[in-house]
Amino acid sequence: SQKIEQNSEALNIQEGKTATLTCNYTNYSPAYLQWYRQDPGRGPVFLLLIRENEKEKRKERLKVTFDTTLKQSLFHITASQPADSATYLCALKAAGNKLTFGGGTRVLVKP
Amino acid sequence: GAGVSQSPSNKVTEKGKDVELRCDPISGHTALYWYRQSLGQGLEFLIYFQGNSAPDKSGLPSDRFSAERTGGSVSTLTIQRTQQEDSAVYLCASSLVADMGQGQSSLHFGNGTRLTVT
Repeated sequence: SQKIEQNSEALNIQEGKTATLTCNYTNYSPAYLQWYRQDPGRGPVFLLLIRENEKEKRKERLKVTFDTTLKQSLFHITASQPADSATYLCALKAAGNKLTFGGGTRVLVKP
Repeated sequence: GAGVSQSPSNKVTEKGKDVELRCDPISGHTALYWYRQSLGQGLEFLIYFQGNSAPDKSGLPSDRFSAERTGGSVSTLTIQRTQQEDSAVYLCASSLVADMGQGQSSLHFGNGTRLTVT
């Protein structure tokens, strides 16, 4: 069956360090992958989209990699700040145009 | 401009009652999605609308759930004979285009309706 797996354990990290989150998938052949941020009580907010032919994508302090051989995407937050504390979700297109989400990883950046 | 608006933001209902949840997507967005998020969990796809095409209802958990989208804009998710396991946050999202391979295909979410069935 199709699965999208993210580390369910919260990631605690010191301010200024780099946070690295993992998204692994099975039985998908995605043309692209998306990352979203979700704050408590709010809907997810789109951050980045990376296509299968792109190895890496950057946006400000965010960096995403996509390895279709390993079936994995890594999401990096460099020079992390307490304001980066949130849950981060990866998402892949399933059959049709359904965007299917992983369970998310909560990040807590401590000052 | 205005984002995706959902109402009510909170709804408490008794088991067995029917509820209606409303979503106003961003103007001009052709695609509309409903997801459900239980406490501490990821997003569970429910239903997807694209223009005048037949909706993709493959995620609806039972026949107690239905949704419609009138005039290609506002959508209503209806849950009949609510059960306690229906308690969750129901999220609506819209996107400019349906084809997820396009750059404008990112989803814009509302802040959800928190449904509590007692």
